Amino acid sequence: GEDVEQSLFLSVREGDSSVINCTYTDSSSTYLYWYKQEPGAGLQLLTYIFSNMDMKQDQRLTVLLNKKDKHLSLRIADTQTGDSAIYFCAESMGYNTDKLIFGTGTRLQVFP
Amino acid sequence: DTEVTQTPKHLVMGMTNKKSLKCEQHMGHRAMYWYKQKAKKPPELMFVYSYEKLSINESVPSRFSPECPNSSLLNLHLHALQPEDSALYLCASSQDRSEVAGGLNTGELFFGEGSRLTVL
Repeated sequence: GEDVEQSLFLSVREGDSSVINCTYTDSSSTYLYWYKQEPGAGLQLLTYIFSNMDMKQDQRLTVLLNKKDKHLSLRIADTQTGDSAIYFCAESMGYNTDKLIFGTGTRLQVFP
Repeated sequence: DTEVTQTPKHLVMGMTNKKSLKCEQHMGHRAMYWYKQKAKKPPELMFVYSYEKLSINESVPSRFSPECPNSSLLNLHLHALQPEDSALYLCASSQDRSEVAGGLNTGELFFGEGSRLTVL
């Protein structure tokens, strides 16, 4: 199947770290992505990881990839109220990067 | 210019109306996409155009008709829609893989803000 699963909701205190998890399905995916969607807006790419990497760090963002378990995670350090949004992981379907399958989305709520 | 512009932002139409959603990008991208997003759901791929030719149609009903007049424009023509078609319609573009050395790109999609469609 093409279901990409995420937990629905995450609530964290401002300044803490957030970890959003994703389980994908296609072991031949070349790229995996994290997108952010704020209310009433389109999606914005946050970061991506190539399938031959285990980890990628980009400022406050750390992506971990476990290919054996098909598990992807996004860690946001020093979470801010502006990080409140819905986060979608997405996988490319094999080498055809024209088709992305999005995860079910995780709503992150950051409270003061 | 790194924007994908969609118009209109909001559209209300009856089931017998004919309307169109429009999308424009000036980043020189050769692939353009239509996604449909229902409330609290992830975006679902509808169509992909690559070099102005339809490359992917995800078994979308014929009441949705895409059109790519040129490499910068993408339209979605709507006719005889149903209330369950109410959703946010997102347009996106990406750099086609053949434009990048090695034949593989990151596949990053640049999204517009979406057109929120309500069918009465």
